Formats: sequence, structure tokens, C-alpha cells
Amino acid sequence: TQLLEQSPQFLSIQEGENLTVYCNSSSVFSSLQWYRQEPGEGPVLLVTVVTGGEVKKLKRLTFQFGDARKDSSLHITAAQPGDTGLYLCAGANRDDKIIFGKGTRLHILP
Amino acid sequence: DTGVSQNPRHKITKRGQNVTFRCDPISEHNRLYWYRQTLGQGPEFLTYFQNEAQLEKSRLLSDRFSAERPKGSFSTLEIQRTEQGDSAMYLCASSPHSETVLYGYTFGSGTRLTVV
Repeated sequence: TQLLEQSPQFLSIQEGENLTVYCNSSSVFSSLQWYRQEPGEGPVLLVTVVTGGEVKKLKRLTFQFGDARKDSSLHITAAQPGDTGLYLCAGANRDDKIIFGKGTRLHILP
Repeated sequence: DTGVSQNPRHKITKRGQNVTFRCDPISEHNRLYWYRQTLGQGPEFLTYFQNEAQLEKSRLLSDRFSAERPKGSFSTLEIQRTEQGDSAMYLCASSPHSETVLYGYTFGSGTRLTVV
């Protein structure tokens, strides 16, 4: 069974601070995806990383895929209240369903 | 296209009643997925369809659960004889075949089920 573990589970920080959340697995994935979910809504895809060592940037968010394609990190610079939400890491393999981690609940204090 | 649509958004039912949820995927997506999400957890896979064929069902999907996708368009998820443990958000997602690795899913807003 493929599992994705995310850490930390909860994070509450002040506006303007930097943070990093992690996603780890013992399994190799064809890609890792990050989604953000707001209360009462479905997850929304932020980014997909495919190549080992790949780094992608989305404004203040930086995503990295581990060299062995088993782990990923999300770094947010100068966090803002609008970044508040549940961040889900998800692993995808070709022609198969996506496996989700339990998520990191992020709260940015103004 | 307005994305993935789920109805109803909220459902409160008494224990033992049957409920049915509907999902309308993005029209050109031939894959449709059902997930369940409880508080503090990530989405857990239930089942998925390619066109009208149900390709996989999770062990989480007891025999009280049934899903259909007639004609490969919309899908329904029925829960018979609901139990309090069925209370959760039921999420539907769709994707084009063979592009999930690169493009992931498009999710609907979910149906929040409360069994009292």
C-alpha cells in the first residue's frame, strides 16, 4: 500500500514569516501533486512535479520533488492570510488513481 | 464548461435511510473518481470509472455503497441503510484518460453528508 505522510499536520504562523511543509513516502511516484483546499470546497491543483530534483515556483510558493521521486516540499515565502488552507500532497502513477496525504492545515495570522 | 458539478451540496439524513449523490464531470473527461474525506483527513479513494466501466473499487466501499455511470456521462453514488460513520464529505473528480500524472484531477465542491 502506498502512503504519503505530511508534516507538520498543523502550522500557525504570523503574516510575513516563511514556512516549509513536507511530504514523504517509501514509494516512488511518477509525479507528486500539491492541492489546496478551502473549507467546504474541493481541492484545487496548485502544481505537478514530475522529474526527480525538479523545482517549480508559483509566485511566493516553491515546490521541490526529491531526487528519488519519493518526497516533496512546499516552501512559502512571506506568508499572507490568503495562504490559509489545507495543503494536500498527492502521488500519481501512470494510468492509476491518485493517493492523497492527510494534509497540512496552515493558518496565517494577520 | 462550468467544471465538475456535485449535487446536493449538503444532505442530512436519518440513520437507516438511503441517499444518492450526483456528479456531472467536465464533458470531455472520460475518467470519473469518487473520494471520501472526513475531518482532519485527506481524500480517500472509493471508486473510479473510465467512460461507463467501473475499473476499481476500494475495500472502503462496503456492499451498502454502489456507484454507476450510465452512458459514461454523469455518475451517481448511492449509500443504502446509512450509518453515522458514513458522515463525511463525498468528493467527485474527473480527468482526461492517461493525463492524471501530468494534470491531476478537477474536483467538484463535494457533498457534505450528515447522518443523525
